[in-house]
Parts: sequence; structure tokens; C-alpha cells
Amino acid sequence: AQSVTQLGSHVSVSEGALVLLRCNYSSSVPPYLFWYVQYPNQGLQLLLKYTTGATLVKGINGFEAEFKKSETSFHLTKPSAHMSDAAEYFCAADSGSARQLTFGSGTQLTVLP
Amino acid sequence: KAGVTQTPRYLIKTRGQQVTLSCSPISGHRSVSWYQQTPGQGLQFLFEYFSETQRNKGNFPGRFSGRQFSNSRSEMNVSTLELGDSALYLCASSLGRGGNNEQFFGPGTRLTVL
Repeated sequence: AQSVTQLGSHVSVSEGALVLLRCNYSSSVPPYLFWYVQYPNQGLQLLLKYTTGATLVKGINGFEAEFKKSETSFHLTKPSAHMSDAAEYFCAADSGSARQLTFGSGTQLTVLP
Repeated sequence: KAGVTQTPRYLIKTRGQQVTLSCSPISGHRSVSWYQQTPGQGLQFLFEYFSETQRNKGNFPGRFSGRQFSNSRSEMNVSTLELGDSALYLCASSLGRGGNNEQFFGPGTRLTVL
């Protein structure tokens, strides 16, 4: 069974600092990978996705992620944090055969002034 | 283009009752999936519908069921509600079933079981 692990349930960074949220997946076949963001009392918004091709994926709001097959990782980064980035972030994988997203447990990002 | 809509947004029920939640996908989207989100279990897949047929089901008891109509709108039903069913229920739609089809999520229905 596929699993997604997010290291760090809470991450705090200062405004303007680098954001790094970690995600590892467990799958014998590289899955489709996604990062979603959730603001309080809202649904999930897609930040970026990896399907095939370029391993460095750029998303919305200045976020990007790099797919590393050898490390089974898909870490999310943003060079400079903004107060509006404070939210919960979820990494998810879709094997493509089952048509269901398997989510990590989420990382709550706090941005300090 | 309108996004995924879910109704109602909030719902309060008592143990033993049943509840029906509704989801309208983005126009043209034919796949609808449902997820349960709780603080303890996180986001868990419930089921997926495509062309009015349930194509995939998560590990939930039979009290959880759903259906999809010819216009792709979907409903999920929970019978004999338990306290543990209190959760945010999210609906997501996508154009097709391939894994590269991103899923667009609605705002969710917050169900509270008393």
C-alpha cells in the first residue's frame, strides 16, 4: 500500500526566510505527486503537481518542489516566506491505478513577523 | 468557471440519525471523489464515482455510501451516525480518472454529531 510521510507536523519560519516542507512517499512505482494548501475553514487548494517530465516543478505563490526518485522525496520550498503563507500543507500521492489520493498527515506552517 | 460546491456547509446531527451531503463538480468534470478529514485520522479517501458508477472505495464501513447522478453531481450518505463521524467531508472533482488529472476540492461540509 502506498504511504506518504510528512516530517514535522509544525514548522515555524520568520518572514522572508526559506520555507522547506518535507515529504517522502513509499511506492514501488513513482506516483503522481501533489502539494495542497488548506486555510482555516476552507477546502484544499492545489499548489503544484508532478506527473512526468521535469523533476523541478513550479507552482503558485512562488512555491516549487523537486521530485527525487532516488530519495523517494518531493519536498516543497519557497525562497522567502510571507505572512499569507501561514496555513496547513498536505503532500499527496496518486498511484494512477486506484484513482485516489493518499495524503500525508499535514504540516502546519507558522510565519513569524 | 464555478468551482466545486458543497451543501450544506455546516450540519449538526445526533447519534443514530442519518445525513446526506451534496457535491456539485466543476462543469465538465466526470469524476467525483469524497474524503473525510479529522484531527486524529487526517485526510482519508471514502470513494470515487465516475459515470454514475462507484469505481473505488476506501476502508470505511457500509454506513457510508454514495451515488452519482447523470449530471455528475454526487451525494454521500451516512446512516446511523456515530460520534466519530464528526468531521469535515470534502468533495473533489476531476476531468477524468487518470492520476495526472488534478482534483479540485470544494470547501467541505462540517458535520458535527452530538
